[in-house]
Amino acid sequence: AQSVTQPDIHITVSEGASLELRCNYSYGATPYLFWYVQSPGQGLQLLLKYFSGDTLVQGIKGFEAEFKRSQSSFNLRKPSVHWSDAAEYFCASISNFGNEKLTFGTGTRLTIIP
Amino acid sequence: GAGVSQTPSNKVTEKGKYVELRCDPISGHTALYWYRQSLGQGPEFLIYFQGTGAADDSGLPNDRFFAVRPEGSVSTLKIQRTERGDSAVYLCASSLGGLAGRSTYNEQFFGPGTRLTVL
Repeated sequence: AQSVTQPDIHITVSEGASLELRCNYSYGATPYLFWYVQSPGQGLQLLLKYFSGDTLVQGIKGFEAEFKRSQSSFNLRKPSVHWSDAAEYFCASISNFGNEKLTFGTGTRLTIIP
Repeated sequence: GAGVSQTPSNKVTEKGKYVELRCDPISGHTALYWYRQSLGQGPEFLIYFQGTGAADDSGLPNDRFFAVRPEGSVSTLKIQRTERGDSAVYLCASSLGGLAGRSTYNEQFFGPGTRLTVL
């Protein structure tokens, strides 16, 4: 069965610093991968997704992610974080189109310090 | 336009009681998903509707959980004989849906969730 792993439960970065959140996937075929953000009191919002093609994908809010098959990773990055980026971030995957039930990682909580 | 809405936003009940959680999807979305998010965890899939029928209910933890979508729009998640372990945030998402085996992805849009607390 497919799965995604987020090894970091909590990360703290300074405002303006760069950010990288880790995600590893376990799936035999080509995975369909996503990053979601969940802010307090708000629903999950899709940041970006990867299905195929260019392994560097751009998302909303200045985020990007890179798919690396050799490392089974799909890490999320941002060059300079803002205080408003403080939230919970989830990596997720689906196995096919048609029944697009998402399998989520356990999440990484991001804290921003001034 | 209106997004996915869920009611109530919070529900506190006693162990053994019956609860219903409602989801109003985005108008025109034929696919509807329920997920459960326990404290400190990512959301876990419960059930998926395509139209009125449950296309995949493999995530329902046991027979105390049941969901319906009688007219292919609003869905209700029903939990009988609630247990303290059922305490979680229940999330609903909807998408344009469509036939299995297609080559295009339809994004899921999530509601704000219902926080269920079983005392």
